[in-house]
Order: sequence, then C-alpha cells, then structure tokens
Amino acid sequence: QSALTQPPSASGTPGQRVTISCSGSNSNIGSHYVYWHQQLPGTAPKLFIYRNNQRPSGVPDRFSGSKSGTSASLAISGLRSEDEADYYCAAWDDSLSGWVFGGGTKLTVL
Amino acid sequence: QVQLVESGGGVVQPGRSLRLSCAASGFTFSTYGMHWVRQAPGKGLEWVAVILYDGSNKYYADSVKGRFTISRDNSENTLYLQMNSLRAEDTAVYYCATGTIFGVVSPDFEYWGQGTLVTVSS
Repeated sequence: QSALTQPPSASGTPGQRVTISCSGSNSNIGSHYVYWHQQLPGTAPKLFIYRNNQRPSGVPDRFSGSKSGTSASLAISGLRSEDEADYYCAAWDDSLSGWVFGGGTKLTVL
Repeated sequence: QVQLVESGGGVVQPGRSLRLSCAASGFTFSTYGMHWVRQAPGKGLEWVAVILYDGSNKYYADSVKGRFTISRDNSENTLYLQMNSLRAEDTAVYYCATGTIFGVVSPDFEYWGQGTLVTVSS
C-alpha cells in the first residue's frame, strides 16, 4: 500500500469539474510540497502540478492544485476527453527519507 | 530541447545484475539532481532513487536499498542505476527524471524519459 492514498477511480462528463484527492501524513504532505503527474496510456508521466499549486508551462489553467494539512487535491474544470488519464500525487517523506507516490487515480471522461 | 533516453533494460534471471543508463541532453546536466522511478506492469509509479547534482548525496526506496546504486557521470551527461540481486518484483519500466537545479528554486520531476523495460524472470 502507498504512503499517499488516492481513490482508484474518478469520472465526469465533458464540461464538468472533477476533484481527485490525495491523503498523506505529517511526514509527507503535512511538511512538504505536493506534486501531481498525468500519465496518458502507454506514455511516460508528465508533471502537471508542483509546489502544491504551480503549473508548468503548457499545462492548461483548467488544472489546479491545493493542499490543506495532510491532504491535497487536484481539480480539473471544464473536463475534456483528452483529460482521460491516470493521475498520481507525490511528496517527499521525512520518515522514509525518500519520495512517495500515491497509488494513482484513473480518470474516465464519460 | 530536453531529452532523457534510458537504455540497458532487458530480460535477466533472478539474482543477476543489470545496469541502466540515462543519457541527458538539452540542459546543463551537472546542475540537476536526477531520479529513477519505476512502474511495474499495470501498476502505479514507485520512486526508486535520487542523486544530487554533484553526486554528493543519494537516497533510496527501502525496497531497493542495499541492492541498487544510483550514480552519475557529469562529464558524459549520463545517469546510471546499477541493479544487483534482482528479484521478480523488480520487473518494471524504469524511468529517469530530472530533480531540482542546484541553487535554484525548481521542481522535481520536470522532465521524464520514455523508460526502459526490465524483466526479471528465469
């Protein structure tokens, strides 16, 4: 089991707003920045959010990240078919002296 | 543009060794920390190891500690992962990814390679 907990699946219809949660502990999310990655089928992961809520250039502003205490969320507004992918959260963990990833959430656009 | 190209994957028997390489180009490799991240077939991402820009510090996941060694050659712009005592559960696609830039506020995992598949099987 992963140190960060994500729901295995999420879904929404085009145009909807969807939120994916990531739950951790004081040693990871509670003390460090949260990252979010998107992985399209058969491709390498791509950084989508860093430092809790920062978007790399090229990532649509429909994607936003937030953090509160030991939990974080990725919100996607105006859902589009091309958003269908796996999403992973990640953070440094002081107890492990290493990075931890969430188990991933498969987003389906209905 | 930034390019990370992994190589060295293949089929290996349990207990044997393998060395992966990650050739970097398009950025100043010697100023970036570097990660290895793996993904078992049909599974999620698992962080493996990170090395600082100058190789001075290295950190490992508990699952590979004592068996895997991360290293780098800044003169060759190449990252390595030496994998010893391989087990079936090490079967995965191994990705290299950039870490933070020395002295600069910058994100980890900004750039990723396409991965190389390691299969541990008899």
